[in-house]
Amino acid sequence: GAGVSQTPSNKVTEKGKYVELRCDPISGHTALYWYRQSLGQGPEFLIYFQGTGAADDSGLPNDRFFAVRPEGSVSTLKIQRTERGDSAVYLCASSSPEGGGTDTQYFGPGTRLTVL
Amino acid sequence: GENVEQHPSTLSVQEGDSAVIKCTYSDSASNYFPWYKQELGKGPQLIIDIRSNVGEKKDQRIAVTLNKTAKHFSLHITETQPEDSAVYFCAASYSNSGYALNFGKGTSLLVTP
Repeated sequence: GAGVSQTPSNKVTEKGKYVELRCDPISGHTALYWYRQSLGQGPEFLIYFQGTGAADDSGLPNDRFFAVRPEGSVSTLKIQRTERGDSAVYLCASSSPEGGGTDTQYFGPGTRLTVL
Repeated sequence: GENVEQHPSTLSVQEGDSAVIKCTYSDSASNYFPWYKQELGKGPQLIIDIRSNVGEKKDQRIAVTLNKTAKHFSLHITETQPEDSAVYFCAASYSNSGYALNFGKGTSLLVTP
């Protein structure tokens, strides 16, 4: 079956611009996570959705970052007034609440964001 | 918050040898420990995971051990092959956090023929 998909795969923007990154989770997965991975580092947690609501947004670095999941499926990560330090790969993962796989997260290929 | 340390940062082995990667965690509430393999330009792929109610789990050439008392867990890959070359990440999480993962910094494994 289809895995987690993310669009675009690459995004180049200028400092100060607004960007949106999209995540399509595995069908039926109710939990969705966003992570950010800088070069040579492990992914860092940003935000976690259970259904439509953000259950934990403690990882968002500041109020320029915001994410939504209005219908409990697709999610969009929004970054306002981008800074060069926002350049990273943004990863999305999803997991299912059914059976024993509640905690197993499946990752998408990521969106590489470059802020010039 | 949870802090996960991973060692070594790079590891080079000959094909057929074993590779061991070690991680420690700080939060005793953590109860789920997955390992991910990441190839260049791709997202992390789960290779094995272990929960805090078991001490060891094995899947073919891959095994993971967990010592809750010492708060460390390890990945063991036997009979390594060139296609095992990748970056490996350990992570720790707990159910009350919705299993949001705290990752180590990664180990770059190179298996030479």
